[in-house]
Amino acid sequence: DIQMIQSPSSLSASVGDTVTITCRASQNIYTFLNWYQQKPGKAPNLLIHGPTTLQSAVPSRFSGGVSGTDFTLTIRSLQAEDFATYYCLQTHKTPYTFGQGTKLEIK
Amino acid sequence: EVQLVESGGALVQPGGSLRLSCTAAGFTFSRSWMTWVRQAPGKGLEWVANIKGDGSEKDSVDSVRGRFTISRDNAKNSLYLEMTSLRPEDTAVYYCATLRGSSDTRYFDYWGQGTLVTVSS
Repeated sequence: DIQMIQSPSSLSASVGDTVTITCRASQNIYTFLNWYQQKPGKAPNLLIHGPTTLQSAVPSRFSGGVSGTDFTLTIRSLQAEDFATYYCLQTHKTPYTFGQGTKLEIK
Repeated sequence: EVQLVESGGALVQPGGSLRLSCTAAGFTFSRSWMTWVRQAPGKGLEWVANIKGDGSEKDSVDSVRGRFTISRDNAKNSLYLEMTSLRPEDTAVYYCATLRGSSDTRYFDYWGQGTLVTVSS
């Protein structure tokens, strides 16, 4: 199975900061990487797929990057509504696998 | 507007069975791959199973293979997850979602609100 190592597991930041979350795949997953945001008690929300394509209606302060098997989610100018848990997901091969999640908290 | 509504979650004893349903609206259900994803309380997300639009292809994670069966009824715009031999570690919120993609991308875009399955004696 493909392992997705996500870091950090938690992150404290302030409104207006820029943060970056990373996922490393255990093998080549090409462009089959997606990012989700999840708030407590809610379903995950797709932010980015492909791994740099912003889903419609997602603010442009969210962006995705890739370098080999390392994928990044960057959030610029953090807003209050961005404090949530973020997950990466590889869909190159089944079983599709998620990263462990990053909880973004207000400092 | 795309809508996915799960139902069927309940408290069930270990070894028991349960069928989850997901009713879809707002898109051409019969042409859409669908998926189930679960989340144990306080834990991360886990992909469970996929099914092609016409039901001809299915796949699932090893931990549920042989116990869970994904199926669909396109006439009813409904997706199902038949769960048998349930274990305490199957306790989770189960989400259905649409699975879309192309040659270089594949993603779960629309999600239901989830239904809670609790396996406990």
